[in-house]
Amino acid sequence: NAGVTQTPKFRILKIGQSMTLQCTQDMNHNYMYWYRQDPGMGLKLIYYSVGAGITDKGEVPNGYNVSRSTTEDFPLRLELAAPSQTSVYFCASRPWTSGSHEQFFGPGTRLTVL
Amino acid sequence: KQEVTQIPAALSVPEGENLVLNCSFTDSAIYNLQWFRQDPGKGLTSLLLIQSSQREQTSGRLNASLDKSSGRSTLYIAASQPGDSATYLCAVEPPNDYKLSFGAGTTVTVRA
Repeated sequence: NAGVTQTPKFRILKIGQSMTLQCTQDMNHNYMYWYRQDPGMGLKLIYYSVGAGITDKGEVPNGYNVSRSTTEDFPLRLELAAPSQTSVYFCASRPWTSGSHEQFFGPGTRLTVL
Repeated sequence: KQEVTQIPAALSVPEGENLVLNCSFTDSAIYNLQWFRQDPGKGLTSLLLIQSSQREQTSGRLNASLDKSSGRSTLYIAASQPGDSATYLCAVEPPNDYKLSFGAGTTVTVRA
């Protein structure tokens, strides 16, 4: 299993540009999440999904959009990039289970908006 | 709203010393608490997960305790090694929810 994979690893955007961060998991997990991590801060939840076709906002959704057309993929779309979106973005997943709710994380995408 | 705090923000110890990392949370109604390790420029790796009904979990040199009533968890790392240098984050999951609330982490440096 590759686990949770994210592309790209690094990206520099100009203000106003758009891009999609890709996230794929091969563990057949129902739940998927997008977080951002700013320097010296904990992770903040942007969006999450409990299954294909179902998404919901997290703590900091403004400026982002998501879709979940398959169980495996959960792309994050940035429209009109702003310097405040400079951050490290992590995708995570976990199975639907009544037991352990351990989350598995991807390696992250480091985004700089100039 | 659940607030998760980790103090201190940074810690430096000589090799061989035991590490004690603290995590506190404001709402004791949790489903589980998870400890993660993050190496520089990398993603998060789950270390230990404690269910709300458990008091502690152990894995090798790592031991995590949970006291829900006081809103605290402690991660102990015995006989620290330079390879233990990393940032350690704790996160709590509420019952009937799918989302984690994270602390800002404690950055540990183990000096050889």
